[in-house]
Amino acid sequence: DAGITQSPRYKITETGRQVTLMCHQTWSHSYMFWYRQDLGHGLRLIYYSAAADITDKGEVPDGYVVSRSKTENFPLTLESATRSQTSVYFCASRGFGIYEQYFGPGTRLTVT
Amino acid sequence: GQQLNQSPQSMFIQEGEDVSMNCTSSSIFNTWLWYKQEPGEGPVLLIALYKAGELTSNGRLTAQFGITRKDSFLNISASIPSDVGIYFCASGRGETSGSRLTFGEGTQLTVNP
Repeated sequence: DAGITQSPRYKITETGRQVTLMCHQTWSHSYMFWYRQDLGHGLRLIYYSAAADITDKGEVPDGYVVSRSKTENFPLTLESATRSQTSVYFCASRGFGIYEQYFGPGTRLTVT
Repeated sequence: GQQLNQSPQSMFIQEGEDVSMNCTSSSIFNTWLWYKQEPGEGPVLLIALYKAGELTSNGRLTAQFGITRKDSFLNISASIPSDVGIYFCASGRGETSGSRLTFGEGTQLTVNP
């Protein structure tokens, strides 16, 4: 009954390192989303996925890579982290045909 | 791109007071959603609206989908300290828009006991 979980909850990494943020949902929702939240910018969509093996760019995709080999998982990878990617990252999911998205608890990422 | 104008940006009220916040857009939307985010947590869905003119309540919360489909408001009656948080509006236009929601920038609510 976990719903949607994210790991890790907190991460500190150095500039240039690769980082992967994990997202897992137990509802079998078709759609999954990655957002970043920064002061002054609200929630901005990075990538989303309509189903396994189907992904598409959002508003701010540069510097990020996603994959979705299984319906329940949607990892987000920062291939070479930069300080501008310091942010809080939220994963969300929704079922097909509805708008309501359900959010995970977030990952606070700091790039030093 | 699409933008939602959410106001006010912040509110400081006394416990027991009523609260009203709203979102407006220049575009027409098919749905309006209201979320609440508490510190250190993800946004939690409060109310979903799907029809123009629809008025929906969830406890002390009431939200309406504007007749023009370009706006929505959220009211909180008799506020309590646990109402503190950031309230976001979000709206969607349909599957052809890429399944996306557009979010407002949030209203920070502070309730003084």
